Amino acid sequence: ETGVTQTPRHLVMGMTNKKSLKCEQHLGHNAMYWYKQSAKKPLELMFVYNFKEQTENNSVPSRFSPECPNSSHLFLHLHTLQPEDSALYLCASSQGVGIGSYEQYFGPGTRLTVT
Amino acid sequence: KNEVEQSPQNLTAQEGEFITINCSYSVGISALHWLQQHPGGGIVSLFMLSSGKKKHGRLIATINIQEKHSSLHITASHPRDSAVYICAVQPSIYGGSQGNLIFGKGTKLSVKP
Repeated sequence: ETGVTQTPRHLVMGMTNKKSLKCEQHLGHNAMYWYKQSAKKPLELMFVYNFKEQTENNSVPSRFSPECPNSSHLFLHLHTLQPEDSALYLCASSQGVGIGSYEQYFGPGTRLTVT
Repeated sequence: KNEVEQSPQNLTAQEGEFITINCSYSVGISALHWLQQHPGGGIVSLFMLSSGKKKHGRLIATINIQEKHSSLHITASHPRDSAVYICAVQPSIYGGSQGNLIFGKGTKLSVKP
């Protein structure tokens, strides 16, 4: 148990559906992240939020829309996805970002399948 | 070429063996992380280090900043150590977004009883 929870753990959706992934951290951290993990590829950073403000959008298509209402919650809204978007989506949090380095705590991930 | 390279990609060992996983990187860094990912997906941070050596139980991580190389060692390996081990570096880019870890592809370890 890392203190970062994600729901749902598994999600199957059609290309015309709209769904949302939820992440919550109970660690009092200020930064939260969305990562995508596809088979045989390294983890890819999607978004970074620091104190609820988005500080990084790593050229992610607009069909992925993040939302960070407060430092403890992070959402990833999904719409009109493609089959190649099927992957494991991981949320993480850390005390901060910027100068120095902060340990990141990961959630269990949401296994997304787009049909 | 990926900025973070791990070797080997796959490793099978017998229970009790000493295991070494290597990580080489090509950028200047402020820190290096070793992560463990079990089947099912969840990732756990094992170590974060910027110099020298750290030890936690049967796990030892070392880093050589001059050679841009780190190793993760597992002593007296056990089947429950079976997982993917991921190396990630925190680039030391002044003024850049330093929340952005660069990840290796991972080393899949299988320890047989």
